[in-house]
Amino acid sequence: AQRVTQPEKLLSVFKGAPVELKCNYSYSGSPELFWYVQYSRQRLQLLLRHISRESIKGFTADLNKGETSFHLKKPFAQEEDSAMYYCALNSGNTPLVFGKGTRLSVIA
Amino acid sequence: NAGVTQTPKFQVLKTGQSMTLQCAQDMNHNSMYWYRQDPGMGLRLIYYSASEGTTDKGEVPNGYNVSRLNKREFSLRLESAAPSQTSVYFCASRGEGQGGEQYFGPGTRLTVT
Repeated sequence: AQRVTQPEKLLSVFKGAPVELKCNYSYSGSPELFWYVQYSRQRLQLLLRHISRESIKGFTADLNKGETSFHLKKPFAQEEDSAMYYCALNSGNTPLVFGKGTRLSVIA
Repeated sequence: NAGVTQTPKFQVLKTGQSMTLQCAQDMNHNSMYWYRQDPGMGLRLIYYSASEGTTDKGEVPNGYNVSRLNKREFSLRLESAAPSQTSVYFCASRGEGQGGEQYFGPGTRLTVT
């Protein structure tokens, strides 16, 4: 069965410190992975997808098929990065599978 | 384009009352979804519709019904609201193909007393 695991419910870092939000997936096929972000009391919005290999707001994520991971990283956290982050897996013609989310809190 | 819209934004119900949450998308997407979001539980899929005329149960369908009225609209109905259904409800739609982004609505904050 497809599964996405985000082991940390809450991650607190100081402003300027590096950030790594962990995401591991379970899927036997070729995965398609996404990171979504939800700022306070707003809708979820796409942050980045692995096929684009892009950097958005300083965040990057690399798909590691060997470790079945898609961790989200940023070298220097900013206060405006405080939000809820969801990792999601597309396994074909079925709904996206979402992790439980990690709340990032950046402390000034 | 408005994207995904939801009404109402807020609602308070008494136990046993019924209501329908409305959702519409203007991106010509085939797939539409209803989620609920609770603290510590993340997003949980209630129902989804892969195409006009079809609906399927998600992870937590009990107590809910859905209607895919046409390609644009997908409504969620609570027939007899319970306090356990207090939550934030999000509608979403997604395009087909690789990299198909899923777009979310602004959410409906429902309280059942």
